[in-house]
Amino acid sequence: AQRVTQPEKLLSVFKGAPVELKCNYSYSGSPELFWYVQYSRQRLQLLLRHISRESIKGFTADLNKGETSFHLKKPFAQEEDSAMYYCALRGGGSQGNLIFGKGTKLSVKP
Amino acid sequence: DSGVTQTPKHLITATGQRVTLRCSPRSGDLSVYWYQQSLDQGLQFLIQYYNGEERAKGNILERFSAQQFPDLHSELNLSSLELGDSALYFCASSVGAGSGSEQFFGPGTRLTVL
Repeated sequence: AQRVTQPEKLLSVFKGAPVELKCNYSYSGSPELFWYVQYSRQRLQLLLRHISRESIKGFTADLNKGETSFHLKKPFAQEEDSAMYYCALRGGGSQGNLIFGKGTKLSVKP
Repeated sequence: DSGVTQTPKHLITATGQRVTLRCSPRSGDLSVYWYQQSLDQGLQFLIQYYNGEERAKGNILERFSAQQFPDLHSELNLSSLELGDSALYFCASSVGAGSGSEQFFGPGTRLTVL
């Protein structure tokens, strides 16, 4: 079964501390992995996709096929990073829909 | 704003009723996806349309139906509403139908069933 697991509902850190939001997936094949972010009162927006291997707003994520993980990391958290973060996967080929984890709320304290 | 738009923002109705949610995709996008976000189930895929045709179905109840019109806007119809249908309903659009196309989300419609 296709599944995305985000084990932490809430993650609270202090400004300047490192952040790691965990994501594990279950999929037989080669999925695309994404991180979406939802800031307060804003719509869901794409933060990262594994195929682009880029860093956005200081965040990076590496796909580990052996551990079936796609953890999101940032070395120094900022208060403006406070938001809901959703990990999602999409099967390859013609399958377009996303399968989301339940999300992790990141709170960065001053 | 040329992004995905959804109407209405909020909808309050009673059990047993029928409602229609509307979504207009970004200009040029041919695919529309509907997702339901509830506290217990999280974000779940309901259905996808591509250029007017149903493309994929997810966890969509038989009481729910959708369509995509020639102008590419989409409507999600929810009937015989139950308390458990209370949720945020998101629409997303993308250029293509499958992998490789980024999905852009609308602001959502919050449905409350009393």
